[in-house]
Amino acid sequence: ELKVEQNPLFLSMQEGKNYTIYCNYSTTSDRLYWYRQDPGKSLESLFVLLSNGAVKQEGRLMASLDTKARLSTLHITAAVHDLSATYFCAVVVLTASGSRLTFGEGTQLTVNP
Amino acid sequence: KAGVTQTPRYLIKTRGQQVTLSCSPISGHRSVSWYQQTPGQGLQFLFEYFSETQRNKGNFPGRFSGRQFSNSRSEMNVSTLELGDSALYLCASSLTPELAYTGELFFGEGSRLTVL
Repeated sequence: ELKVEQNPLFLSMQEGKNYTIYCNYSTTSDRLYWYRQDPGKSLESLFVLLSNGAVKQEGRLMASLDTKARLSTLHITAAVHDLSATYFCAVVVLTASGSRLTFGEGTQLTVNP
Repeated sequence: KAGVTQTPRYLIKTRGQQVTLSCSPISGHRSVSWYQQTPGQGLQFLFEYFSETQRNKGNFPGRFSGRQFSNSRSEMNVSTLELGDSALYLCASSLTPELAYTGELFFGEGSRLTVL
């Protein structure tokens, strides 16, 4: 059974600081998504990583994928309060019977002034 | 273009009742998948439908069922509701399951079910 583990699960950081969220998964996959979720809201797609070594950046967020290590990272640079949210990674598995996402537990990020 | 539409957005039911949730995918999308989000279990895959056929099913009891219509709209049904079924139910659509695999997957706003 595929397992996806994120750490940390809770992250409180000060504005202006840098930090990294880690996402480890237990099976071979070269597809990984990062999502953001605000309280009471749906999932907002942040990044889609489609190959080993993929790196994508948007504003203060940068995501990378190492399929050999089965590891993805979401790096936050110079955090601002607006980044406070829960972040999920999700591994995609495609089989003959269809596709599905397996999500990590989520990292609840709070950025304090 | 319109996104994925889920109805109702909020509903309250009591234990033992049943509930039907609806999902209208983005126009032209033929693949619909459902996920349940609870504080205890996180986000879990329920089903995937493509061209009116269930292609994939998660590890949920038989009380959870779904279907897809010829216009690609999908419904999921939960019978004999339990307190633990209280959750945010999310629907996602893509043109095909294979395109969901490449990132072309779009989530709706969700239906929040409360079971009392």
